[in-house]
Amino acid sequence: DAGITQSPRHKVTETGTPVTLRCHQTENHRYMYWYRQDPGHGLRLIHYSYGVKDTDKGEVSDGYSVSRSKTEDFLLTLESATSSQTSVYFCAISEWDRTGINSPLHFGNGTRLTVT
Amino acid sequence: KNQVEQSPQSLIILEGKNCTLQCNYTVSPFSNLRWYKQDTGRGPVSLTIMTFSENTKSNGRYTATLDADTKQSSLHITASQLSDSASYICVVIPTNSGYSTLTFGKGTMLLVSP
Repeated sequence: DAGITQSPRHKVTETGTPVTLRCHQTENHRYMYWYRQDPGHGLRLIHYSYGVKDTDKGEVSDGYSVSRSKTEDFLLTLESATSSQTSVYFCAISEWDRTGINSPLHFGNGTRLTVT
Repeated sequence: KNQVEQSPQSLIILEGKNCTLQCNYTVSPFSNLRWYKQDTGRGPVSLTIMTFSENTKSNGRYTATLDADTKQSSLHITASQLSDSASYICVVIPTNSGYSTLTFGKGTMLLVSP
């Protein structure tokens, strides 16, 4: 298994509070991604990073921000959590952004976030 | 917009039986198609990766097929085991695309019953 650790694994928070989720990798991969997974939807990209301090928005970025100050860490912040952000959040990594066979996408085991 | 549709949404089979999951897509042109297995409470794990020129790819009891003309892929599971109970996700990768532009299917939830 690729060395990806997400923390926390579970979190319950109240509406309006800020929340930060952490993804830590030991593979030294350049590319890191944050997805959310909801019933009735496929995995949807929130933000991604193509290097230290280099990030870009994905399909569902509103209400989220990210930071990457080190190769191994990618943080996802919900600036003011809302109930619509209740979801399971997955971090993924890849060596290259080109989706070749030799550059698979590896996923962490997710953070289940509940916003009450 | 690129779409990936999977069927059925859910499936229950008896242990030892075979099953086939379907994936229809509109992505064109595409470079490769992947099937992922996602166990409950875990992240997706890659099962098979096929290029657009391949028709079939096997990984143990899992065999993926691809018909680029009809834009369909299937995942066949042989002699199912309880550990096959999971969600199976299809992803089609556009040509010259990065992971930032992927479209994931919603998945098929498989339950293997003893």
